[in-house]
Amino acid sequence: DAGVTQSPTHLIKTRGQQVTLRCSPISGHKSVSWYQQVLGQGPQFIFQYYEKEERGRGNFPDRFSARQFPNYSSELNVNALLLGDSALYLCASSFTPGQAGENGYTFGSGTRLTVV
Amino acid sequence: AQTVTQSQPEMSVQEAETVTLSCTYDTSESDYYLFWYKQPPSRQMILVIRQEAYKQQNATENRFSVNFQKAAKSFSLKISDSQLGDAAMYFCAYRRPEYGNKLVFGAGTILRVKS
Repeated sequence: DAGVTQSPTHLIKTRGQQVTLRCSPISGHKSVSWYQQVLGQGPQFIFQYYEKEERGRGNFPDRFSARQFPNYSSELNVNALLLGDSALYLCASSFTPGQAGENGYTFGSGTRLTVV
Repeated sequence: AQTVTQSQPEMSVQEAETVTLSCTYDTSESDYYLFWYKQPPSRQMILVIRQEAYKQQNATENRFSVNFQKAAKSFSLKISDSQLGDAAMYFCAYRRPEYGNKLVFGAGTILRVKS
């Protein structure tokens, strides 16, 4: 079975541009969460989606948005990129948001975003 | 707000020996989950072990075990018979069991294994 897949693996953007990151959860998983991991720090929660609805949002500006599709894949969009948005963006999936407490999330390998 | 603190930025251990990574957390909740995740250079976050706060028995997974001290809000990870493949960044994380709640991570500890 395929794990959580994220695309692209790396990308470089210029300040002010917009970026879209993609995540495909494990087959059967209906909940997807996004985390931002700045170099040298632990991941920070951005969003959680379940059944195409937003179920949680972290302390991030409105430049960050996300959505979940009927096949449970998800996109994270960041507008008006800043240098400080440079980070590893991790996607995690679980059957339901609550199930994550029993077994933890399954994470993808992330997208490394560099803003120049 | 819940916080997770890992006071050891970096630790080293000789192959086959034992190492303990420290984690403390702050919460007013009585029911929650605690996790240790491993992040190798491949970047994927891998679950090592989890502990439910209402269980007094410390969790164990093969060479990995925890020392959970609920009153002290301490959750340390012990790695026995360390192997070269254990070298990675280790994160301690906290989660409330309520629906839709997020993982709160510490800043991480780099573990180096010497041969």
